[in-house]
Amino acid sequence: QKEVEQDPGPLSVPEGAIVSLNCTYSNSAFQYFMWYRQYSRKGPELLMYTYSSGNKEDGRFTAQVDKSSKYISLFIRDSQPSDSATYLCAPGGSWGKLQFGAGTQVVVTP
Amino acid sequence: GAVVSQHPSRVICKSGTSVKIECRSLDFQATTMFWYRQFPKQSLMLMATSNEGSKATYEQGVEKDKFLINHASLTLSTLTVTSAHPEDSSFYICSASAGGREQYFGPGTRLTVT
Repeated sequence: QKEVEQDPGPLSVPEGAIVSLNCTYSNSAFQYFMWYRQYSRKGPELLMYTYSSGNKEDGRFTAQVDKSSKYISLFIRDSQPSDSATYLCAPGGSWGKLQFGAGTQVVVTP
Repeated sequence: GAVVSQHPSRVICKSGTSVKIECRSLDFQATTMFWYRQFPKQSLMLMATSNEGSKATYEQGVEKDKFLINHASLTLSTLTVTSAHPEDSSFYICSASAGGREQYFGPGTRLTVT
């Protein structure tokens, strides 16, 4: 079993729709949770990070963490074609390293 | 803020040669830098962690004599792939941290070994 699981997609949505991305993890020692966006052939870009269970909102993005079920989500409102990318969840722990999921490919169609 | 650069962006080399990749934090001091490798359609795999002025810590299965990492200053880390072979062809990405949990990534270097 992988420590971090993500559905690889692709997840195709029409422009303006809400994109819902999920990630599950197995290591209860993870303390903080990052979401990165990666365009093809580019380095990942940090979108959001959270340290506790609950919701965190930043513009069109909302990150949600449920530590009791080891489940993290990212929602993108009013999706745009420029949001088409691979989204990586990356929890981390006190040891200072991130464990990346395989990523979910998102395609937003005009 | 939090800009990380990598050089070169692409490199093609012959089997048996060595290749050096540079990673620079442009607008912050990076106490820790990380080196990852990513194969097509796969996740980022951490290769090693380096702290300025210290020896790098390699992940299990990563050959430290093959992947030489130097973190000589708070803004520069280098990865040298020694005696490269075709199976070393991959996308190499560095990230840098200023001491917090967040890692900021460079744009990556695509290495092709012929």
